[in-house]
Amino acid sequence: SQQGEEDPQALSIQEGENATMNCSYKTSINNLQWYRQNSGRGLVHLILIRSNEREKHSGRLRVTLDTSKKSSSLLITASRAADTASYFCATDAQGGSEKLVFGKGTKLTVNP
Amino acid sequence: GAVVSQHPSRVICKSGTSVKIECRSLDFQATTMFWYRQFPKQSLMLMATSNEGSKATYEQGVEKDKFLINHASLTLSTLTVTSAHPEDSSFYICSARDGSGMISYNEQFFGPGTRLTVL
Repeated sequence: SQQGEEDPQALSIQEGENATMNCSYKTSINNLQWYRQNSGRGLVHLILIRSNEREKHSGRLRVTLDTSKKSSSLLITASRAADTASYFCATDAQGGSEKLVFGKGTKLTVNP
Repeated sequence: GAVVSQHPSRVICKSGTSVKIECRSLDFQATTMFWYRQFPKQSLMLMATSNEGSKATYEQGVEKDKFLINHASLTLSTLTVTSAHPEDSSFYICSARDGSGMISYNEQFFGPGTRLTVL
């Protein structure tokens, strides 16, 4: 079953602007991951944040995690046209499950 | 490191035929591989979990006799779509988990996907 829910479903911004995508989930997790998918291609792993972490940075990416609200956000700063893609969050359930449950994704369009 | 390949990348077949998709971990041993299906403009849905040397575990609603999974070695898992029909047309993506910890323990690495079109 789908666990993560991203919003917005679609986001269109201008190059140079920041893009913020949100993800909510339902059950307790070990960690939460964000992936990127270009149209018709496979997934690229962006960042993993563990349940005991609140914020993590990687280059122009900033991820936050609020386990009390069961939500996460992905911020892309100074966006570029090449950032145009769909972004998915994925969670794994506590209890040792190996499975990842993906959200519905946010389709980001960065206009040059 | 951590490269997962899929073959073929794209396949078109006639209704009623069977199609085999391969998923390989190129530089690590994958004790567990996962098969996902993604319909256009939708998210990835887990179909089954494949463990080397044992039977795959299928998610609810996925027909095991239709989607045959074989994980014969630590670097190869295959998904065979039997008697394919147009409704099976989809993007199939595999991922592999590095159980040995050589690269990144427990992280899943994704293949580039296979686009299946059934006419």
